[in-house]
Amino acid sequence: DGGITQSPKYLFRKEGQNVTLSCEQNLNHDAMYWYRQDPGQGLRLIYYSQIVNDFQKGDIAEGYSVSREKKESFPLTVTSAQKNPTAFYLCASSIDTRAVNQPQHFGDGTRLSIL
Amino acid sequence: AQSVSQHNHHVILSEAASLELGCNYSYGGTVNLFWYVQYPGQHLQLLLKYFSGDPLVKGIKGFEAEFIKSKFSFNLRKPSVQWSDTAEYFCAVNLLGNYGQNFVFGPGTRLSVLP
Repeated sequence: DGGITQSPKYLFRKEGQNVTLSCEQNLNHDAMYWYRQDPGQGLRLIYYSQIVNDFQKGDIAEGYSVSREKKESFPLTVTSAQKNPTAFYLCASSIDTRAVNQPQHFGDGTRLSIL
Repeated sequence: AQSVSQHNHHVILSEAASLELGCNYSYGGTVNLFWYVQYPGQHLQLLLKYFSGDPLVKGIKGFEAEFIKSKFSFNLRKPSVQWSDTAEYFCAVNLLGNYGQNFVFGPGTRLSVLP
């Protein structure tokens, strides 16, 4: 079945450490997104990518980095510069950001906690 | 900045009660509207969407939503809820012409249905 796979499901980070969250999709979607979900705040956009080798900052990109070397993959690195990284991270994809009436498909999420 | 608000943070209902979850957005242009649902331990799933045409849209599991352009609203309704509807519900707005950062989510409403 086509879908989005995020791994790991749970991740623990020591202070000062960088960690990378994986997101893979087999939907042949051009656009991919990373969101952060905090209680009572809904989803906030961290980074998005419209096409391979291109990505743009979202609303809360500070302390995060991404890459898009392959269409299927859009890993997110939470760097030590992110002061409050404990959250639930969701990856999403859609056919094309320009096809604005296409809904996003979401992965199951990764819960990141600081030790 | 564009925003999406949801009227209630937490709604508690008994089975068979009627449900209405409010959603308002602040954007004067053309929008597409979505309701997503997140069941406990699962990923976000599309419940229903509005693109154009009949402002009353039907979704899965007996849910429906009405787009009222003059009120910038897209309220979600269900005539009779079930225990299995317990979940978090997110309203989302897709802003046409705003490539990339085109999905704005509300903060979510948690629905608890008592058996």
